[in-house]
Amino acid sequence: AQRVTQPEKLLSVFKGAPVELKCNYSYSGSPELFWYVQYSRQRLQLLLRHISRESIKGFTADLNKGETSFHLKKPFAQEEDSAMYYCALNTRYQKVTFGIGTKLQVIP
Amino acid sequence: NAGVTQTPKFQVLKTGQSMTLQCAQDMNHNSMYWYRQDPGMGLRLIYYSASEGTTDKGEVPNGYNVSRLNKREFSLRLESAAPSQTSVYFCASSEVADTGELFFGEGSRLTVL
Repeated sequence: AQRVTQPEKLLSVFKGAPVELKCNYSYSGSPELFWYVQYSRQRLQLLLRHISRESIKGFTADLNKGETSFHLKKPFAQEEDSAMYYCALNTRYQKVTFGIGTKLQVIP
Repeated sequence: NAGVTQTPKFQVLKTGQSMTLQCAQDMNHNSMYWYRQDPGMGLRLIYYSASEGTTDKGEVPNGYNVSRLNKREFSLRLESAAPSQTSVYFCASSEVADTGELFFGEGSRLTVL
């Protein structure tokens, strides 16, 4: 069965500090991974996907198949990064499985 | 272009009452989904519709029914609400069924007393 694990419910960092939001997955097939973000009082939206290998708002994430991880990183946190972040796994079976989410709090 | 629109945004029900959450998308997407969001549990898939005319159960379908009324609309019905169904419900859509790129509505906060 597919599973997404986000070990931290809350991550607090100071402004300007590096950020790493952890995500591990379990899936026997070829995974497709995403990060979604939900800012306060806004709808959930796609932040980035591993296939595109892009950097969005300074965030990057690399798929590590050996460690089955897809950690989200940013070198310097900004206050506007404070939000709820969800790691998500897409499989061929037409379902997207989400992790429980990590609340990122950037302290001024 | 509103994207995904859900109604109502807030609702309070008594145990045993029924209600329907409405969802519509104007992006001509083929697939639509209903998730519930609970603290400490993330988003869990209730039902999805890969294409017009089809619906399938997700991870937590018990107590819910869905209808894919047409390509645009996908409703979620609670026939006999229970306190365990107190949650925030999100409708989402995607262009095709096998993509992980979902577009979400603003959510509907449901409280069952």
